[in-house]
Amino acid sequence: AQRVTQPEKLLSVFKGAPVELKCNYSYSGSPELFWYVQYSRQRLQLLLRHISRESIKGFTADLNKGETSFHLKKPFAQEEDSAMYYCALTGAAGNKLTFGGGTRVLVKP
Amino acid sequence: DVKVTQSSRYLVKRTGEKVFLECVQDMDHENMFWYRQDPGLGLRLIYFSYDVKMKEKGDIPEGYSVSREKKERFSLILESASTNQTSMYLCASSSTGTSGEQFFGPGTRLTVL
Repeated sequence: AQRVTQPEKLLSVFKGAPVELKCNYSYSGSPELFWYVQYSRQRLQLLLRHISRESIKGFTADLNKGETSFHLKKPFAQEEDSAMYYCALTGAAGNKLTFGGGTRVLVKP
Repeated sequence: DVKVTQSSRYLVKRTGEKVFLECVQDMDHENMFWYRQDPGLGLRLIYFSYDVKMKEKGDIPEGYSVSREKKERFSLILESASTNQTSMYLCASSSTGTSGEQFFGPGTRLTVL
Protein backbone atom coordinates (compact mmCIF):
# COMPACT_ATOMS: atom_id res chain seq x y z
CA ALA A 1 0.00 0.00 0.00
CA GLN A 2 1.19 3.50 -0.68
CA ARG A 3 1.54 5.98 2.14
CA VAL A 4 2.67 9.59 2.56
CA THR A 5 3.85 10.92 5.91
CA GLN A 6 4.34 14.55 6.86
CA PRO A 7 5.77 14.47 10.38
CA GLU A 8 5.22 18.14 11.20
CA LYS A 9 1.69 19.40 11.68
CA LEU A 10 2.85 22.98 12.21
CA LEU A 11 5.94 24.90 11.21
CA SER A 12 6.41 28.42 12.52
CA VAL A 13 9.26 30.50 11.11
CA PHE A 14 10.22 34.14 10.90
CA LYS A 15 10.17 36.04 7.65
CA GLY A 16 13.47 35.64 5.84
CA ALA A 17 14.36 32.38 7.58
CA PRO A 18 14.69 29.10 5.68
CA VAL A 19 11.80 26.67 5.79
CA GLU A 20 11.80 22.94 5.09
CA LEU A 21 8.70 20.75 5.05
CA LYS A 22 9.38 17.07 5.37
CA CYS A 23 7.65 14.40 3.35
CA ASN A 24 8.37 10.67 3.43
CA TYR A 25 6.63 8.08 1.34
CA SER A 26 6.32 4.35 0.93
CA TYR A 27 5.64 2.87 -2.47
CA SER A 28 6.94 -0.27 -4.10
CA GLY A 29 7.35 1.10 -7.63
CA SER A 30 8.43 4.42 -9.13
CA PRO A 31 6.15 7.11 -7.79
CA GLU A 32 5.46 10.60 -8.94
CA LEU A 33 5.54 13.10 -6.09
CA PHE A 34 3.79 16.43 -5.75
CA TRP A 35 3.33 19.32 -3.38
CA TYR A 36 -0.09 20.95 -3.16
CA VAL A 37 -0.81 24.19 -1.29
CA GLN A 38 -3.96 25.74 0.16
CA TYR A 39 -3.82 29.43 1.05
CA SER A 40 -6.38 30.91 3.42
CA ARG A 41 -9.85 30.98 1.85
CA GLN A 42 -8.54 29.59 -1.43
CA ARG A 43 -8.90 26.20 -3.02
CA LEU A 44 -6.22 23.54 -2.98
CA GLN A 45 -3.81 23.87 -5.92
CA LEU A 46 -0.72 22.22 -7.30
CA LEU A 47 2.53 23.89 -6.22
CA LEU A 48 5.10 21.69 -7.91
CA ARG A 49 5.82 18.18 -9.12
CA HIS A 50 9.12 16.35 -8.96
CA ILE A 51 9.30 15.49 -12.64
CA SER A 52 9.32 19.17 -13.56
CA ARG A 53 12.43 19.89 -11.46
CA GLU A 54 11.35 23.51 -11.32
CA SER A 55 11.29 26.20 -8.67
CA ILE A 56 7.87 27.68 -7.99
CA LYS A 57 7.53 30.79 -5.79
CA GLY A 58 11.07 30.10 -4.58
CA PHE A 59 10.23 26.56 -3.46
CA THR A 60 12.15 23.50 -4.60
CA ALA A 61 11.77 19.83 -3.79
CA ASP A 62 14.14 16.98 -4.51
CA LEU A 63 13.07 13.38 -4.76
CA ASN A 64 15.44 11.16 -2.81
CA LYS A 65 14.60 7.58 -3.70
CA GLY A 66 17.17 6.15 -1.30
CA GLU A 67 15.57 7.90 1.67
CA THR A 68 12.07 7.81 0.12
CA SER A 69 11.70 11.51 0.80
CA PHE A 70 10.46 14.57 -1.07
CA HIS A 71 11.13 17.52 1.22
CA LEU A 72 10.01 21.01 0.23
CA LYS A 73 12.44 23.87 0.82
CA LYS A 74 12.60 27.61 0.52
CA PRO A 75 15.69 29.57 1.57
CA PHE A 76 13.89 32.77 2.60
CA ALA A 77 10.30 32.45 3.76
CA GLN A 78 7.81 35.23 3.06
CA GLU A 79 4.61 36.05 4.92
CA GLU A 80 2.57 35.10 1.85
CA ASP A 81 3.94 31.55 2.17
CA SER A 82 1.71 31.00 5.19
CA ALA A 83 -0.59 28.19 4.10
CA MET A 84 -1.39 24.51 4.40
CA TYR A 85 0.94 22.26 2.41
CA TYR A 86 0.23 18.70 1.35
CA CYS A 87 2.64 16.19 -0.10
CA ALA A 88 1.04 13.71 -2.50
CA LEU A 89 2.00 10.62 -4.46
CA THR A 90 0.68 8.82 -7.49
CA GLY A 91 1.82 5.47 -8.73
CA ALA A 92 0.78 2.92 -11.30
CA ALA A 93 -2.89 3.73 -10.78
CA GLY A 94 -2.36 6.90 -12.75
CA ASN A 95 -4.27 9.89 -11.56
CA LYS A 96 -5.23 8.57 -8.14
CA LEU A 97 -3.38 10.61 -5.49
CA THR A 98 -2.48 9.66 -1.94
CA PHE A 99 -2.03 12.69 0.33
CA GLY A 100 -0.09 13.20 3.51
CA GLY A 101 -1.64 14.69 6.62
CA GLY A 102 -0.53 18.22 5.77
CA THR A 103 1.77 20.79 7.37
CA ARG A 104 0.57 24.22 8.33
CA VAL A 105 3.24 26.87 7.77
CA LEU A 106 3.07 30.14 9.64
CA VAL A 107 5.54 32.84 8.64
CA LYS A 108 5.82 35.52 11.28
CA PRO A 109 6.87 39.11 10.49
CA ASP B 1 -9.31 28.68 -16.58
CA VAL B 2 -10.27 25.34 -15.07
CA LYS B 3 -13.38 25.55 -13.01
CA VAL B 4 -14.66 23.01 -10.53
CA THR B 5 -17.77 24.05 -8.68
CA GLN B 6 -19.55 22.49 -5.74
CA SER B 7 -23.22 23.01 -5.06
CA SER B 8 -22.91 24.33 -1.50
CA ARG B 9 -20.19 25.93 0.61
CA TYR B 10 -21.91 25.12 3.89
CA LEU B 11 -24.49 22.47 4.69
CA VAL B 12 -26.13 21.46 7.96
CA LYS B 13 -28.04 18.20 8.12
CA ARG B 14 -29.51 15.96 10.80
CA THR B 15 -28.49 12.41 11.61
CA GLY B 16 -30.19 9.94 9.33
CA GLU B 17 -30.88 12.39 6.50
CA LYS B 18 -29.90 11.58 2.93
CA VAL B 19 -27.38 14.13 1.70
CA PHE B 20 -26.37 14.98 -1.86
CA LEU B 21 -23.18 16.85 -2.69
CA GLU B 22 -22.85 17.93 -6.29
CA CYS B 23 -19.69 18.70 -8.24
CA VAL B 24 -19.43 20.07 -11.77
CA GLN B 25 -16.33 20.66 -13.89
CA ASP B 26 -16.20 22.52 -17.17
CA MET B 27 -12.92 21.26 -18.64
CA ASP B 28 -14.09 17.97 -20.15
CA HIS B 29 -11.92 16.02 -17.67
CA GLU B 30 -12.24 12.26 -17.66
CA ASN B 31 -11.39 11.78 -13.99
CA MET B 32 -13.30 13.05 -10.98
CA PHE B 33 -12.68 12.52 -7.28
CA TRP B 34 -14.31 13.02 -3.90
CA TYR B 35 -12.17 13.57 -0.80
CA ARG B 36 -12.84 14.45 2.77
CA GLN B 37 -10.41 16.79 4.48
CA ASP B 38 -9.91 16.51 8.25
CA PRO B 39 -7.25 18.21 10.41
CA GLY B 40 -4.25 15.99 10.90
CA LEU B 41 -5.55 13.37 8.49
CA GLY B 42 -5.08 15.34 5.29
CA LEU B 43 -7.20 14.41 2.30
CA ARG B 44 -8.65 10.94 2.15
CA LEU B 45 -10.12 9.59 -1.06
CA ILE B 46 -13.73 8.47 -0.81
CA TYR B 47 -14.59 7.54 -4.42
CA PHE B 48 -13.34 8.32 -7.87
CA SER B 49 -14.49 7.91 -11.43
CA TYR B 50 -12.53 7.50 -14.65
CA ASP B 51 -15.50 7.75 -16.96
CA VAL B 52 -19.23 8.23 -17.13
CA LYS B 53 -21.08 5.57 -15.13
CA MET B 54 -17.75 4.24 -13.85
CA LYS B 55 -16.85 4.42 -10.17
CA GLU B 56 -14.20 2.98 -7.95
CA LYS B 57 -13.87 2.91 -4.20
CA GLY B 58 -11.19 4.97 -2.59
CA ASP B 59 -9.72 4.52 0.85
CA ILE B 60 -12.81 5.35 2.93
CA PRO B 61 -15.96 4.51 0.93
CA GLU B 62 -18.05 3.22 3.83
CA GLY B 63 -21.23 5.21 4.31
CA TYR B 64 -20.94 6.91 0.92
CA SER B 65 -22.01 6.28 -2.64
CA VAL B 66 -21.51 8.21 -5.88
CA SER B 67 -23.15 8.81 -9.21
CA ARG B 68 -21.71 9.93 -12.51
CA GLU B 69 -24.39 10.08 -15.17
CA LYS B 70 -22.71 12.85 -17.17
CA LYS B 71 -19.05 13.51 -17.78
CA GLU B 72 -19.08 16.91 -16.13
CA ARG B 73 -20.99 15.97 -12.98
CA PHE B 74 -19.99 13.76 -10.05
CA SER B 75 -22.31 13.42 -7.07
CA LEU B 76 -21.50 12.20 -3.59
CA ILE B 77 -24.36 10.68 -1.61
CA LEU B 78 -24.56 10.06 2.10
CA GLU B 79 -27.39 7.54 2.36
CA SER B 80 -27.93 8.12 6.09
CA ALA B 81 -25.80 10.90 7.48
CA SER B 82 -24.00 10.36 10.76
CA THR B 83 -22.15 12.77 13.04
CA ASN B 84 -18.79 11.22 12.13
CA GLN B 85 -19.36 12.38 8.57
CA THR B 86 -19.08 16.00 9.66
CA SER B 87 -16.17 17.21 7.56
CA MET B 88 -14.95 19.32 4.65
CA TYR B 89 -15.66 17.60 1.34
CA LEU B 90 -13.52 18.40 -1.69
CA CYS B 91 -14.23 17.51 -5.27
CA ALA B 92 -11.46 17.39 -7.87
CA SER B 93 -11.05 16.61 -11.54
CA SER B 94 -8.16 15.79 -13.80
CA SER B 95 -7.33 14.91 -17.36
CA THR B 96 -5.95 11.46 -18.03
CA GLY B 97 -3.04 13.02 -19.93
CA THR B 98 -1.74 15.11 -17.01
CA SER B 99 -0.77 12.66 -14.32
CA GLY B 100 -1.12 14.00 -10.81
CA GLU B 101 -2.47 17.47 -11.42
CA GLN B 102 -5.93 17.61 -9.98
CA PHE B 103 -8.09 20.73 -9.97
CA PHE B 104 -10.10 21.25 -6.84
CA GLY B 105 -13.42 22.79 -6.01
CA PRO B 106 -13.87 25.24 -3.12
CA GLY B 107 -15.17 22.56 -0.78
CA THR B 108 -18.41 21.92 1.09
CA ARG B 109 -18.32 22.07 4.86
CA LEU B 110 -20.90 19.57 6.05
CA THR B 111 -22.11 19.52 9.63
CA VAL B 112 -24.27 16.60 10.76
CA LEU B 113 -26.15 17.25 13.98
